[in-house]
Amino acid sequence: VQLVESGGGLVQPGGSLRLSCAASGLTFSDYPMTWIRQAPGKGLEWVSHISNTGGHTDYSDSVKGRFTISRDNAKNSLYLQMNSLRADDTAVYYCARDYDFVCDYWGQGTLVTVSS
Amino acid sequence: QSALTQPPSASGSLGQSVTISCTGTRSDVGNYNYVSWYQQYPGKAPKLMIYEVSKRPSGVPDRFSGSKSGNTASLTVSGLQAEDEADYHCSSYAGGNTYFFGTGTKVTVL
Repeated sequence: VQLVESGGGLVQPGGSLRLSCAASGLTFSDYPMTWIRQAPGKGLEWVSHISNTGGHTDYSDSVKGRFTISRDNAKNSLYLQMNSLRADDTAVYYCARDYDFVCDYWGQGTLVTVSS
Repeated sequence: QSALTQPPSASGSLGQSVTISCTGTRSDVGNYNYVSWYQQYPGKAPKLMIYEVSKRPSGVPDRFSGSKSGNTASLTVSGLQAEDEADYHCSSYAGGNTYFFGTGTKVTVL
């Protein structure tokens, strides 16, 4: 199983960014997926979850209404659209496979920096 | 939504044991046997070490063990080795497809 995130970078407060996660080595459409982030020097924080079909999504209170998770099973890809970004969204963002209530495989992460 | 509470640091001598606690509530750790532990080296992605409180994925040494009592889960690393020096994070399923993570513990091998 390999998960590769991309799309991170420097963005101004109030701006938008779209993260991608390319999956290989698994039947992507069989598994729910999760985004998790880690602010510099801090612990991990669960961000969002999507069902295997994409029909159900969940968000942490800190990103609800600003972030949108989606997936394209034909492209084996997971996405996170981030709008109205704030300084406290600065973090490394990881995608992970959700297998029976455990995030077992993680990508290497992509850094998002929100700063003027 | 709150993070699970872990001690910021823990240490043990080579060959000794160290135990890390992870305290949640009866809505997360106390309600589900879906507690996981992750090892993370600086600049690297977390690696799953324990799942479902006490199960080890293939390839994880049996020096790593997990347990739970009430709202508190624990990770014990026995026979400490130099390569065990890392950050350790706990996680618990909290219902409704949500997860809480711990505040993280830095383990130092003396």
